[in-house]
Amino acid sequence: QKEVEQNSGPLSVPEGAIASLNCTYSDRVSQSFFWYRQYSGKSPELIMSIYSNGDKEDGRFTAQLNKASQYVSLLIRDSQPSDSATYLCAVLRLTGGGNKLTFGTGTQLKVEL
Amino acid sequence: DTGVSQDPRHKITKRGQNVTFRCDPISEHNRLYWYRQTLGQGPEFLTYFQNEAQLEKSRLLSDRFSAERPKGSFSTLEIQRTEQGDSAMYLCASSLDRVNEKLFFGSGTQLSVL
Repeated sequence: QKEVEQNSGPLSVPEGAIASLNCTYSDRVSQSFFWYRQYSGKSPELIMSIYSNGDKEDGRFTAQLNKASQYVSLLIRDSQPSDSATYLCAVLRLTGGGNKLTFGTGTQLKVEL
Repeated sequence: DTGVSQDPRHKITKRGQNVTFRCDPISEHNRLYWYRQTLGQGPEFLTYFQNEAQLEKSRLLSDRFSAERPKGSFSTLEIQRTEQGDSAMYLCASSLDRVNEKLFFGSGTQLSVL
């Protein structure tokens, strides 16, 4: 079982719709969860972090965390063509030496006009 | 620019050659990470430094790979006797020394081994 699993997509949504991206993780001791956006040929850019169960909203983005189900999601409201990118779910846990961030393979999002 | 800086942005080399990449983290960050990413995959952890100490290395980091952070500031990643399978984007990230601290990535070095 992969440590962090995402549907690779592509997920296609029309402009203005809500895009819903999902992620599951296997290690119950994971403590912090992040969503990164990555445009083709570019490096990952942090867009959301969430540490406790529930929802966290930042502008058009909402991250949701359910530790009992080991599930993290990202909602993008009023999707724009500029949101078209790969979204990487990342899970942080403490190791013997410090923090280790493990990524999923990413979900490709396409926002269509 | 106070972000994470990586050099070079692109590197093309022939199989068997050695290459070295440099990463300059955000100045107040004492944690530094190296990741590798291939097409269609998420970044894979390679190694991690707390100041100048290398605290963890992935099994992905074969004997041909070595990383240093001699003064706890910039870091170098060297690959000896490169192989075609080493072709990837090599990403550096840094963070503060705090629990739950966020990682910020540099622009990466794209390595192509011919």
